[in-house]
Amino acid sequence: DAGVIQSPRHEVTEMGQEVTLRCKPISGHDYLFWYRQTMMRGLELLIYFNNNVPIDDSGMPEDRFSAKMPNASFSTLKIQPSEPRDSAVYFCASSFGSDPATNEKLFFGSGTQLSVL
Amino acid sequence: AQSVTQLGSHVSVSEGALVLLRCNYSSSVPPYLFWYVQYPNQGLQLLLKYTSAATLVKGINGFEAEFKKSETSFHLTKPSAHMSDAAEYFCAVSDHYGGSQGNLIFGKGTKLSVKP
Repeated sequence: DAGVIQSPRHEVTEMGQEVTLRCKPISGHDYLFWYRQTMMRGLELLIYFNNNVPIDDSGMPEDRFSAKMPNASFSTLKIQPSEPRDSAVYFCASSFGSDPATNEKLFFGSGTQLSVL
Repeated sequence: AQSVTQLGSHVSVSEGALVLLRCNYSSSVPPYLFWYVQYPNQGLQLLLKYTSAATLVKGINGFEAEFKKSETSFHLTKPSAHMSDAAEYFCAVSDHYGGSQGNLIFGKGTKLSVKP
């Protein structure tokens, strides 16, 4: 398996523009997580899904942020409109949470470095 | 609510020296605890996890961690540091409630530097 695949690897945009980050989880995994990493706040959970259903979105900072998981192999995180304070590395992670032997072993993608000018 | 505190944002050791990265947790239920490692420009990888079996947990790359309930600690150690251990290390606690996938709450991370 290729692992968790995120695109794009880097995104530079201007304030006010819409940004869409994409994630393909590992095949067979039933949990998908979106995290944001900054120097100031560390690694923060934004939202997570179980079987394509959002379970907890309490970490989504504002209504400008939205996430979808239309099927088991694809998820998006959208920011509209983007602001400079959204600049961060955004990670997607997946896991096979239904197996007690392996649950909570998160597999992370390489992240998307977002810069909003 | 669960939380973790990592003491020291930067730790520097010489190659061959003991590595000790500190983590204290707060949890209202028996915790599930984890250490993850992040190499430059990569996502996090699981090093080891504690799920209430043995208190001394062995992980990959020679790392181990000991769960001490009385001290609410889960410190990460390695007897002899290698240059390839240079990375950022994250302690995490889960709000898992038996059987189902939980949300992992991460500490701020500790960057480990290894001097030749």
